[in-house]
Formats: sequence, structure tokens, C-alpha cells
Amino acid sequence: ETGVTQSPTHLIKTRGQQVTLRCSSQSGHNTVSWYQQALGQGPQFIFQYYREEENGRGNFPPRFSGLQFPNYSSELNVNALELDDSALYLCASSLVVDTQYFGPGTRLTVL
Amino acid sequence: GQSLEQPSEVTAVEGAIVQINCTYQTSGFYGLSWYQQHDGGAPTFLSYNALDGLEETGRFSSFLSRSDSYGYLLLQELQMKDSASYFCAVSGNAGNMLTFGGGTRLMVKP
Repeated sequence: ETGVTQSPTHLIKTRGQQVTLRCSSQSGHNTVSWYQQALGQGPQFIFQYYREEENGRGNFPPRFSGLQFPNYSSELNVNALELDDSALYLCASSLVVDTQYFGPGTRLTVL
Repeated sequence: GQSLEQPSEVTAVEGAIVQINCTYQTSGFYGLSWYQQHDGGAPTFLSYNALDGLEETGRFSSFLSRSDSYGYLLLQELQMKDSASYFCAVSGNAGNMLTFGGGTRLMVKP
């Protein structure tokens, strides 16, 4: 059984640019959630996708958007990057309510 | 809104028992989860409590009191590899959107 994978591992962008992060969910999991984790803090919920539909959104501006594909993989897009967007972006897949399986994350640095 | 409070740091010695507390304020509550995260790694699921009481999984146990909006993670027979950050997280609705606490950094000393 393949776990959650994310790409790329690290990414460096400049202010104003756009970025796309990718996530492959664990086999059979139909729900994908995205989180932003700043250094030394807990993950902050961005949004969740269930069967290709957005199923909830945290307190993030519209320049954070996402997609889920028929194979349940997902993308996180961030437009007009700001310095504060520098963080670890985590994807988590789940099938049942109580357990989420996290990928290794993408470390984004905005200069 | 939702907020969770947990101690920022705990230190213990190998073989000891440590308890990490978590209090929460939520507009809705489905359950309390605990995750472990080693430096540079991804959070990994440890336990989930939806009902009051104690859940035991090997050396780790988790407790929930819904009436007190309180839970804790108990780690027994501490090992050096348990040095990590531990996060409590609340599921505020059935969609399993987690709100995390700020994390407790556990340092296990020889």
C-alpha cells in the first residue's frame, strides 16, 4: 500500500509568483486535506476535497485554491505569493473521520 | 471559532511517564486526535477519542473529558525516539477538518 506522496520536496519562489503543489493520496482514500505549517507552529487547515468537490475551507484568502482529480490526487495552487506564505505545506488523505495520513510535505520558501 | 491550548515544552527521562494536556474551546466537537511529528517529518496519527474515557495503544494512551473540554496524551516507558512534537487536534465537524494546537515539544533525556 503506497502512502501519501507530495511533490516537490522543496521549492523557492519570489514574491508575486504562482506555485502549484501536488499530492497523491493513499490508495482508496477519497478525501484530501491541505494544511500550512509555519516553523514552530501547528498545522493550519487550508481546505479539504471530497470526491473532487471542496468540502470545507479554513481562514485562507481566495488566492489559495485547489483541485482534486478522479484518482483522488490533488493540487494546491497559490497565486501572488507573499513572504508569509513561506511554510511547510502538508497534504493528508483519509477515508474515515478519525484518522488522517500525512505526506512528507513541501517546504516553500518565498523570497 | 476553535482554539486549543497545550504546554509548549516538556522534558522527561528515559523510562519515565509523561502526560501532555490539551484544553479546547470549539463551536462544534466530534473528537480529539493526537499526532506525533519528528523534526523534519510529517505528522503521524497516534490516537483518537470521540467519547469520554481512556484509549490505550501500546505505550501510548489518550483520555478525553467532553464535559471539561479536556484531554491528555500519556506516554509510558519513554524512549529516546519519543523525542518529538506532539499535537492535539479537534475535529469540529463530520468533515474531519482538523484544528491543531500549537504543539508540545517533548525532550527525552538519558
